[in-house]
Amino acid sequence: GNSVTQMEGPVTLSEEAFLTINCTYTATGYPSLFWYVQYPGEGLQLLLKATKADDKGSNKGFEATYRKETTSFHLEKGSVQVSDSAVYFCALRGISGGGADGLTFGKGTHLIIQP
Amino acid sequence: NAGVTQTPKFQVLKTGQSMTLQCAQDMNHEYMSWYRQDPGMGLRLIHYSVGAGITDQGEVPNGYNVSRSTTEDFPLRLLSAAPSQTSVYFCASSYAPGAGELFFGEGSRLTVL
Repeated sequence: GNSVTQMEGPVTLSEEAFLTINCTYTATGYPSLFWYVQYPGEGLQLLLKATKADDKGSNKGFEATYRKETTSFHLEKGSVQVSDSAVYFCALRGISGGGADGLTFGKGTHLIIQP
Repeated sequence: NAGVTQTPKFQVLKTGQSMTLQCAQDMNHEYMSWYRQDPGMGLRLIHYSVGAGITDQGEVPNGYNVSRSTTEDFPLRLLSAAPSQTSVYFCASSYAPGAGELFFGEGSRLTVL
């Protein structure tokens, strides 16, 4: 079945540092890949997505590239801010054949940015 | 522009009680689903629906029941609450099964004593 593995936190960085959160996946076929963000006390919001190999998703200074050869979708940001502190979830979605067709999530990475 | 609306936001139950978490979406989405979020476990799929009148089980369906009588609504029922069902529950929807992003509600925090 489908699975997503991402680095678990907490990850603590200083403001303006470079961020990488690793995400690798296992899936049949060609899934779509997503990063969701959850701010404290809130639901999940889509941060960015990519639907095919070599696509780059980007939003709010965050980027991730769909790498089929390494089955990865690492999240990066060049200069983080305190307001980026949140939990980040990598997820995939595809036609599993098993009928669920929902999102398969990683366990989440808690990011803490210190001023 | 309501999107996905969940009620209640908070609920405390005693073991053995029953309750229903409500979910409604106003985007005419065919696909709706329920997830639970637990520390260190990420989000796990409980039940899902690919259209009115059609429901199916996800990864962790035991102890939960769903129905989909309309396109808009997808309630989640706990028939006899257990402490293991203490969690944060999220409803999510998308235009079609297996495609595109999911839109999430704000969550319902349930505590079972």
